[in-house]
Amino acid sequence: DAKTTQPNSMESNEEEPVHLPCNHSTISGTDYIHWYRQLPSQGPEYVIHGLTSNVNNRMASLAIAEDRKSSTLILHRATLRDAAVYYCILRETSGSRLTFGEGTQLTVNP
Amino acid sequence: NAGVTQTPKFRILKIGQSMTLQCTQDMNHNYMYWYRQDPGMGLKLIYYSVGAGITDKGEVPNGYNVSRSTTEDFPLRLELAAPSQTSVYFCASSYSRDRENTIYFGEGSWLTVV
Repeated sequence: DAKTTQPNSMESNEEEPVHLPCNHSTISGTDYIHWYRQLPSQGPEYVIHGLTSNVNNRMASLAIAEDRKSSTLILHRATLRDAAVYYCILRETSGSRLTFGEGTQLTVNP
Repeated sequence: NAGVTQTPKFRILKIGQSMTLQCTQDMNHNYMYWYRQDPGMGLKLIYYSVGAGITDKGEVPNGYNVSRSTTEDFPLRLELAAPSQTSVYFCASSYSRDRENTIYFGEGSWLTVV
């Protein structure tokens, strides 16, 4: 699996936007960019994914660089419930193995 | 749909004992995975399966065994439990024909070996 690099931790204030970066310089043309998050004492949950174009859903937005070597997960208004570890993963369309990195621990201050 | 169901949720084992963590999914997914997560760390892949009868090792397979006799079930067997296997175990599944390959996780099984 191609590797991703994320900051170990980030902090935000409640109701402010949060931009979580991810570098994936060895991404291949068929890799989807997936984001998952893990709330305390729970299993990871799907947040968003994309291939080339920016994506929006009810949870977040995903901004993908034109060369696809990096992406940014955007939480438009952070809440205390968004405090979690966020994982950026590259997913091959036919891939079977799935490797997680260490992720970014997001702290949201009230 | 129950999604991915893991049992038990909590278990304490003595060193040298054996046990099986059960995982079942009702989404007809062909891919299934077992991960372990040590405190404060990321997830490490133990074993995975791309379909019934097919399994393969992940990053940390030592001390574990798996089988996949049906599409729905993917049990993880711990033989001769050791304190190093104290961890949280997550089962996951996905559908290979889903082009975006979203993965669904169970709620986790907390295992302590004493």
